[in-house]
Amino acid sequence: AQKITQTQPGMFVQEKEAVTLDCTYDTSDPSYGLFWYKQPSSGEMIFLIYQGSYDQQNATEGRYSLNFQKARKSANLVISASQLGDSAMYFCAMRDLRTGTASKLTFGTGTRLQVTL
Amino acid sequence: GAGVSQSPSNKVTEKGKDVELRCDPISGHTALYWYRQSLGQGLEFLIYFQGNSAPDKSGLPSDRFSAERTGGSVSTLTIQRTQQEDSAVYLCASSSRPYTDTQYFGPGTRLTVL
Repeated sequence: AQKITQTQPGMFVQEKEAVTLDCTYDTSDPSYGLFWYKQPSSGEMIFLIYQGSYDQQNATEGRYSLNFQKARKSANLVISASQLGDSAMYFCAMRDLRTGTASKLTFGTGTRLQVTL
Repeated sequence: GAGVSQSPSNKVTEKGKDVELRCDPISGHTALYWYRQSLGQGLEFLIYFQGNSAPDKSGLPSDRFSAERTGGSVSTLTIQRTQQEDSAVYLCASSSRPYTDTQYFGPGTRLTVL
């Protein structure tokens, strides 16, 4: 069974600063994908970034980067130069990439990020 | 292009009534997923459709829940004899390939059972 742990229920960061949101995972599957989603107060889940278990380099998407440490089973999200619009819930999720499985996402409990002036 | 759409955005119903929630996936996406987001349980997988294959219903919490996908596109999630614990946001997602591609979510339907 897969499990995602997000230990920070809430985080504050000042505008223009960088922030790291923690995510650790547990799986026995050799091939898996890790995702981060943002959920603003409007409720929609917005895809941010993806990291495959066999990817050699850490994923980056604009101001988002994923600090992937496979041996430690961690996939922390780093947001650089925070903006007020980054205030939202952030979910880490993972999925088994083997064919023949449901490929459902397993989510963590989320971290609420508040960006302050 | 258009994203995943869901209707209604909000649904208030009385305990014991049946409800239907609709999801329109991104055009061309063959995989469709339903999830439920509630305060007590977080985000949970409910059901998954891929093309013409039999759906994976392993996440449905009870036999009051069912879903269908017509013509490989639109999906309807039906909850019969609703209970107060069914109150949650129901999220639909789609992806172009089920095993490797990112799931894109709709805005959700907030269901309140009185």
